[in-house]
Amino acid sequence: AQSVTQLDSHVSVSEGTPVLLRCNYSSSYSPSLFWYVQHPNKGLQLLLKYTSAATLVKGINGFEAEFKKSETSFHLTKPSAHMSDAAEYFCVVSDGYGNKLVFGAGTILRVKS
Amino acid sequence: GAVVSQHPSWVICKSGTSVKIECRSLDFQATTMFWYRQFPKQSLMLMATSNEGSKATYEQGVEKDKFLINHASLTLSTLTVTSAHPEDSSFYICSAITTGGQETQYFGPGTRLLVL
Repeated sequence: AQSVTQLDSHVSVSEGTPVLLRCNYSSSYSPSLFWYVQHPNKGLQLLLKYTSAATLVKGINGFEAEFKKSETSFHLTKPSAHMSDAAEYFCVVSDGYGNKLVFGAGTILRVKS
Repeated sequence: GAVVSQHPSWVICKSGTSVKIECRSLDFQATTMFWYRQFPKQSLMLMATSNEGSKATYEQGVEKDKFLINHASLTLSTLTVTSAHPEDSSFYICSAITTGGQETQYFGPGTRLLVL
């Protein structure tokens, strides 16, 4: 069975500083991994996904994530935070069979001016 | 592309009534749609997987007679919460994948249900 652990429920950064949102996964299969962002009262938007191609995945809005099999991690990073990045971020794993997604608990990112 | 809509965006109803939520894929055909539930300050939990023209597959603990799912066409799935009670109040989100079988799920904006 798949599972996802987001290590921080809240992260606070200053505008212009780097962002790191941590995610560890557990999967019996070769996983597909995703990061989604949810702004208040909005639907989820896909930031990026890893599907066994390049281990460093670049997404939208300057975000990227690196798949590290040895560490079972898929941390999300961004070099410079923007106020508009304030939202909740979900790390998600899929086994690729039937496309069932398992969501992490979410990390709320706060960006201070 | 790959836009999913939901209607209504929010609904308030009295206890004991039924509520129908629509999920539409606007610019693509979706053989499979998913229904999730999100409680305040919690993550999304998959309720059921809906395949066009067949019965939905429900996750463990989800009452299929209470949460009726109909996926009548390649662009529309509906979730009906029957005899709603206050504990059914939640944020319901649908997603869809394309007929090409691509893994990426495209999510709707969600429907907030409040049962009084």
